[in-house]
Amino acid sequence: KNQVEQSPQSLIILEGKNCTLQCNYTVSPFSNLRWYKQDTGRGPVSLTIMTFSENTKSNGRYTATLDADTKQSSLHITASQLSDSASYICVVRRRGGSYIPTFGRGTSLIVHP
Amino acid sequence: EAGVTQFPSHSVIEKGQTVTLRCDPISGHDNLYWYRRVMGKEIKFLLHFVKESKQDESGMPNNRFLAERTGGTYSTLKVQPAELEDSGVYFCASSQGRGGQSYNEQFFGPGTRLTVL
Repeated sequence: KNQVEQSPQSLIILEGKNCTLQCNYTVSPFSNLRWYKQDTGRGPVSLTIMTFSENTKSNGRYTATLDADTKQSSLHITASQLSDSASYICVVRRRGGSYIPTFGRGTSLIVHP
Repeated sequence: EAGVTQFPSHSVIEKGQTVTLRCDPISGHDNLYWYRRVMGKEIKFLLHFVKESKQDESGMPNNRFLAERTGGTYSTLKVQPAELEDSGVYFCASSQGRGGQSYNEQFFGPGTRLTVL
């Protein structure tokens, strides 16, 4: 069964600190992995997409990594801001066959002043 | 440019009633998707339209759910009759390009929170 597991389930950090969110998947064959940010009351917004050949990709203070061998990805947030408080969702898509994405349950991040 | 919009933002109905959710995709996006998130669970796929045609409806829970996209513009998702387990947040997303390409970014609406009492 294709699954996406995220950890931690929730995280509280102080403003200015860094944090790393984890995503493990069993989706196969792998096509790509996206990290989404979902603010309260809003829909998910894509932060970055990782393909098989990419190991790391940055988008401002967000840096995503991918290890396709171990089927793990991480999202590192640098110098956190209050506006980073949100749910971060890992979404993986298969190559060939069904293109239906598999979502993780997300990590709820709270940044305190 | 307007993003994906959904109406209503919240709906509270009693078991056995009917509810219709609406989604307006980004103009020009041929692909429209419906998803649902039940409390405590991950977002799950319901169905996919390419223009007015249903490309994949494998995620629809049962025949109480009916989705339409007349004219290939906005879409509606009707639940009739609603059951308690239908409660959740229903998201709509749209994307450009061929529906089979897994790289196309999907743009999500804010969701409709449905509560069935």
